[in-house]
Amino acid sequence: DTAVSQTPKYLVTQMGNDKSIKCEQNLGHDTMYWYKQDSKKFLKIMFSYNNKELIINETVPNRFSPKSPDKAHLNLHINSLELGDSAVYFCASSPRDSPGNTIYFGEGSWLTVV
Amino acid sequence: GQNIDQPTEMTATEGAIVQINCTYQTSGFNGLFWYQQHAGEAPTFLSYNVLDGLEEKGRFSSFLSRSKGYSYLLLKELQMKDSASYLCAVFNSNYQLIWGAGTKLIIKP
Repeated sequence: DTAVSQTPKYLVTQMGNDKSIKCEQNLGHDTMYWYKQDSKKFLKIMFSYNNKELIINETVPNRFSPKSPDKAHLNLHINSLELGDSAVYFCASSPRDSPGNTIYFGEGSWLTVV
Repeated sequence: GQNIDQPTEMTATEGAIVQINCTYQTSGFNGLFWYQQHAGEAPTFLSYNVLDGLEEKGRFSSFLSRSKGYSYLLLKELQMKDSASYLCAVFNSNYQLIWGAGTKLIIKP
């Protein structure tokens, strides 16, 4: 059983399109995250959701919008895609947003904007 | 600013020992993680240190010195499957997780 699953794994799309990446966790965790890993391999947090409430919103463009229908799901919607959005996007979850709790990552979604 | 520094790449021989260093400058400290990431895969948890000293877990050990802003990950009896990137990450005082860019470890026979 996959603990944190995200779809699609690979996505190639044209500039200007709108796309969504879905994420689900079956671990019963309270907190879910979206991370972006760019070509330099830096993992940067984009959003953090705790019990469906946004608790971190790093300075990402408002073209990116997280949507959490329930505690087990955190989807990422991206409007008007740009070339610079090409990256790997990781969904993750942890028992709660506090130190010492292991963060479990999904397998990643490779987004390529052409 | 806040940053995590790790070597970009290291090479070691199968069966040997390798130490991957990490230095950090962050606004406060609430713990340090090491994650392993194989190419094309998600990061997986290796260790968490919040107190000074060495934490041993099988072939992997992690060390922390808070006064020096320094940690290392020690890998013993290297195996080919240990070829991966090793990411250092620090929780700052705002409980934000700051990630390093990772160290690519290449294991040679």
